[in-house]
Amino acid sequence: QKEVEQDPGPLSVPEGAIVSLNCTYSNSAFQYFMWYRQYSRKGPELLMYTYSSGNKEDGRFTAQVDKSSKYISLFIRDSQPSDSATYLCAVLTGGGNKLTFGTGTQLKVEL
Amino acid sequence: KAGVTQTPRYLIKTRGQQVTLSCSPISGHRSVSWYQQTPGQGLQFLFEYFSETQRNKGNFPGRFSGRQFSNSRSEMNVSTLELGDSALYLCASSRPGQGAGETQYFGPGTRLLVL
Repeated sequence: QKEVEQDPGPLSVPEGAIVSLNCTYSNSAFQYFMWYRQYSRKGPELLMYTYSSGNKEDGRFTAQVDKSSKYISLFIRDSQPSDSATYLCAVLTGGGNKLTFGTGTQLKVEL
Repeated sequence: KAGVTQTPRYLIKTRGQQVTLSCSPISGHRSVSWYQQTPGQGLQFLFEYFSETQRNKGNFPGRFSGRQFSNSRSEMNVSTLELGDSALYLCASSRPGQGAGETQYFGPGTRLLVL
Protein backbone atom coordinates (compact mmCIF):
# COMPACT_ATOMS: atom_id res chain seq x y z
CA GLN A 1 0.00 0.00 0.00
CA LYS A 2 1.30 3.43 -0.92
CA GLU A 3 1.82 5.87 1.92
CA VAL A 4 -0.21 8.55 0.14
CA GLU A 5 -2.83 7.96 -2.55
CA GLN A 6 -4.57 10.65 -4.51
CA ASP A 7 -7.66 10.57 -6.68
CA PRO A 8 -6.51 10.43 -10.29
CA GLY A 9 -7.47 13.17 -12.73
CA PRO A 10 -7.97 14.88 -14.92
CA LEU A 11 -10.83 16.86 -13.48
CA SER A 12 -12.71 19.42 -15.55
CA VAL A 13 -15.19 21.85 -14.00
CA PRO A 14 -16.98 25.01 -15.12
CA GLU A 15 -15.90 28.37 -13.77
CA GLY A 16 -17.51 29.12 -10.42
CA ALA A 17 -17.85 25.48 -9.39
CA ILE A 18 -16.75 24.08 -6.05
CA VAL A 19 -13.86 21.69 -6.50
CA SER A 20 -13.08 18.84 -4.13
CA LEU A 21 -9.67 17.17 -4.26
CA ASN A 22 -8.89 14.19 -2.07
CA CYS A 23 -6.11 11.98 -0.75
CA THR A 24 -5.77 9.13 1.68
CA TYR A 25 -2.74 8.19 3.73
CA SER A 26 -1.71 4.96 5.34
CA ASN A 27 -0.11 5.77 8.70
CA SER A 28 -2.15 7.24 11.51
CA ALA A 29 1.05 8.66 13.03
CA PHE A 30 1.41 11.24 10.25
CA GLN A 31 0.74 14.72 11.57
CA TYR A 32 1.68 17.26 8.90
CA PHE A 33 -0.29 17.64 5.69
CA MET A 34 0.20 19.99 2.79
CA TRP A 35 -1.38 20.89 -0.50
CA TYR A 36 0.78 22.15 -3.34
CA ARG A 37 -0.25 23.62 -6.67
CA GLN A 38 1.93 23.13 -9.71
CA TYR A 39 1.52 24.98 -12.95
CA SER A 40 2.94 23.50 -16.11
CA ARG A 41 6.73 23.81 -16.29
CA LYS A 42 6.94 25.31 -12.79
CA GLY A 43 7.91 24.05 -9.35
CA PRO A 44 5.20 23.20 -6.79
CA GLU A 45 3.85 26.12 -4.78
CA LEU A 46 2.61 25.61 -1.22
CA LEU A 47 -1.11 26.35 -0.90
CA MET A 48 -2.15 25.02 2.47
CA TYR A 49 -0.42 23.52 5.50
CA THR A 50 -2.30 21.67 8.24
CA TYR A 51 -1.08 20.15 11.44
CA SER A 52 -3.08 17.26 12.90
CA SER A 53 -6.81 17.29 12.16
CA GLY A 54 -9.46 19.85 11.44
CA ASN A 55 -10.09 22.53 8.87
CA LYS A 56 -8.01 25.43 7.68
CA GLU A 57 -9.31 28.17 5.44
CA ASP A 58 -7.44 30.66 3.27
CA GLY A 59 -9.57 32.73 0.94
CA ARG A 60 -11.26 30.42 -1.53
CA PHE A 61 -9.29 27.40 -0.33
CA THR A 62 -10.16 25.08 2.56
CA ALA A 63 -7.99 22.17 3.67
CA GLN A 64 -9.55 19.45 5.75
CA VAL A 65 -7.93 16.54 7.59
CA ASP A 66 -9.94 13.65 8.98
CA LYS A 67 -7.51 11.56 11.01
CA SER A 68 -10.11 8.93 11.89
CA SER A 69 -10.44 7.96 8.24
CA LYS A 70 -6.93 9.09 7.19
CA TYR A 71 -8.43 11.34 4.58
CA ILE A 72 -7.28 14.79 3.46
CA SER A 73 -9.21 17.14 1.24
CA LEU A 74 -8.81 20.46 -0.49
CA PHE A 75 -11.88 22.47 -1.45
CA ILE A 76 -11.75 25.35 -3.90
CA ARG A 77 -14.76 27.67 -3.93
CA ASP A 78 -15.73 29.84 -6.89
CA SER A 79 -13.11 28.18 -9.07
CA GLN A 80 -11.39 30.33 -11.68
CA PRO A 81 -9.59 29.47 -14.92
CA SER A 82 -6.38 30.55 -13.16
CA ASP A 83 -6.87 27.62 -10.76
CA SER A 84 -6.18 25.25 -13.65
CA ALA A 85 -3.09 23.36 -12.49
CA THR A 86 -2.01 20.10 -10.94
CA TYR A 87 -2.78 19.79 -7.23
CA LEU A 88 -0.55 17.61 -5.11
CA CYS A 89 -1.21 16.46 -1.58
CA ALA A 90 1.85 15.82 0.56
CA VAL A 91 2.43 14.25 3.94
CA LEU A 92 5.46 14.53 6.17
CA THR A 93 6.46 10.88 6.44
CA GLY A 94 9.95 10.93 7.86
CA GLY A 95 12.25 12.79 10.14
CA GLY A 96 13.28 16.24 9.07
CA ASN A 97 11.51 17.35 5.94
CA LYS A 98 10.82 14.16 4.03
CA LEU A 99 7.57 14.69 2.14
CA THR A 100 5.68 11.93 0.40
CA PHE A 101 3.46 13.21 -2.39
CA GLY A 102 0.32 11.93 -3.98
CA THR A 103 0.42 11.46 -7.73
CA GLY A 104 -1.39 14.74 -8.33
CA THR A 105 -4.77 15.67 -9.77
CA GLN A 106 -4.82 17.78 -12.91
CA LEU A 107 -7.60 20.34 -12.69
CA LYS A 108 -9.02 22.34 -15.57
CA VAL A 109 -11.50 25.14 -14.89
CA GLU A 110 -13.31 26.05 -18.06
CA LEU A 111 -14.99 29.34 -18.97
CA LYS B 1 13.05 38.12 -1.15
CA ALA B 2 14.48 35.95 -3.89
CA GLY B 3 13.09 32.45 -4.18
CA VAL B 4 14.88 29.16 -4.59
CA THR B 5 17.03 29.16 -7.69
CA GLN B 6 18.21 26.15 -9.61
CA THR B 7 20.80 25.89 -12.35
CA PRO B 8 20.86 24.90 -15.06
CA ARG B 9 17.19 24.92 -16.01
CA TYR B 10 17.58 22.45 -18.85
CA LEU B 11 20.18 19.81 -19.52
CA ILE B 12 20.71 17.13 -22.12
CA LYS B 13 23.13 14.29 -21.40
CA THR B 14 23.84 10.86 -22.82
CA ARG B 15 23.75 7.53 -21.05
CA GLY B 16 26.79 6.84 -18.93
CA GLN B 17 27.64 10.48 -18.34
CA GLN B 18 27.38 12.19 -15.01
CA VAL B 19 25.62 15.42 -14.12
CA THR B 20 25.72 18.00 -11.34
CA LEU B 21 22.75 20.19 -10.51
CA SER B 22 22.86 23.23 -8.29
CA CYS B 23 20.38 24.77 -5.87
CA SER B 24 20.54 28.08 -4.01
CA PRO B 25 18.01 28.23 -1.17
CA ILE B 26 16.08 31.24 0.02
CA SER B 27 18.29 33.49 2.12
CA GLY B 28 18.28 32.30 5.72
CA HIS B 29 17.07 28.81 4.87
CA ARG B 30 19.39 26.05 5.98
CA SER B 31 17.54 22.93 4.93
CA VAL B 32 17.61 21.84 1.30
CA SER B 33 15.70 18.85 -0.03
CA TRP B 34 15.85 17.30 -3.48
CA TYR B 35 13.02 15.58 -5.33
CA GLN B 36 12.68 13.80 -8.64
CA GLN B 37 9.48 14.24 -10.64
CA THR B 38 8.53 11.93 -13.50
CA PRO B 39 5.16 11.32 -15.21
CA GLY B 40 5.17 7.70 -14.08
CA GLN B 41 6.34 7.97 -10.47
CA GLY B 42 5.34 11.51 -9.60
CA LEU B 43 7.34 13.47 -7.05
CA GLN B 44 9.79 11.35 -5.09
CA PHE B 45 12.07 12.39 -2.26
CA LEU B 46 15.79 12.00 -2.93
CA PHE B 47 17.51 13.44 0.14
CA GLU B 48 17.65 16.36 2.54
CA TYR B 49 20.61 18.34 3.79
CA PHE B 50 20.71 20.49 6.88
CA SER B 51 23.82 22.29 8.12
CA GLU B 52 25.96 20.45 5.57
CA THR B 53 24.81 17.02 6.80
CA GLN B 54 22.48 14.61 5.10
CA ARG B 55 19.49 14.38 7.42
CA ASN B 56 17.26 12.09 5.41
CA LYS B 57 17.50 9.86 2.37
CA GLY B 58 14.95 8.39 -0.02
CA ASN B 59 15.04 5.08 -1.86
CA PHE B 60 17.31 5.90 -4.74
CA PRO B 61 20.48 4.07 -5.80
CA GLY B 62 23.90 5.26 -4.75
CA ARG B 63 24.39 6.88 -8.16
CA PHE B 64 22.40 9.77 -6.72
CA SER B 65 24.37 11.83 -4.25
CA GLY B 66 24.39 15.32 -2.87
CA ARG B 67 26.15 17.76 -0.68
CA GLN B 68 25.59 21.07 0.99
CA PHE B 69 28.04 23.91 1.42
CA SER B 70 28.52 26.22 4.39
CA ASN B 71 26.42 28.92 2.67
CA SER B 72 23.55 26.37 2.44
CA ARG B 73 23.81 26.05 -1.33
CA SER B 74 23.43 22.44 -2.40
CA GLU B 75 24.42 20.28 -5.32
CA MET B 76 23.21 16.91 -6.40
CA ASN B 77 25.14 14.56 -8.63
CA VAL B 78 23.96 11.65 -10.71
CA SER B 79 26.64 9.35 -12.02
CA THR B 80 26.40 6.81 -14.84
CA LEU B 81 23.18 8.29 -16.19
CA GLU B 82 20.41 5.99 -17.35
CA LEU B 83 17.50 6.78 -19.65
CA GLY B 84 15.17 6.48 -16.67
CA ASP B 85 16.91 9.38 -14.94
CA SER B 86 15.20 11.77 -17.35
CA ALA B 87 13.07 13.87 -15.04
CA LEU B 88 12.44 17.22 -13.48
CA TYR B 89 14.72 17.61 -10.47
CA LEU B 90 13.30 19.93 -7.85
CA CYS B 91 14.99 21.53 -4.93
CA ALA B 92 13.12 22.84 -1.89
CA SER B 93 14.39 24.92 0.99
CA SER B 94 13.03 25.60 4.44
CA ARG B 95 13.84 27.72 7.44
CA PRO B 96 15.10 25.99 10.56
CA GLY B 97 13.68 26.39 14.01
CA GLN B 98 10.09 25.53 13.25
CA GLY B 99 10.35 21.96 14.41
CA ALA B 100 9.12 19.11 12.26
CA GLY B 101 7.19 19.85 9.14
CA GLU B 102 9.02 23.01 8.20
CA THR B 103 7.37 24.71 5.25
CA GLN B 104 9.23 23.88 2.08
CA TYR B 105 9.52 26.26 -0.86
CA PHE B 106 10.33 24.78 -4.23
CA GLY B 107 12.50 26.07 -7.02
CA PRO B 108 11.52 25.90 -10.70
CA GLY B 109 13.48 22.68 -11.23
CA THR B 110 16.11 21.41 -13.62
CA ARG B 111 14.75 19.39 -16.51
CA LEU B 112 17.20 16.62 -17.38
CA LEU B 113 16.91 14.62 -20.56
CA VAL B 114 19.11 11.55 -20.94
CA LEU B 115 19.58 10.28 -24.48
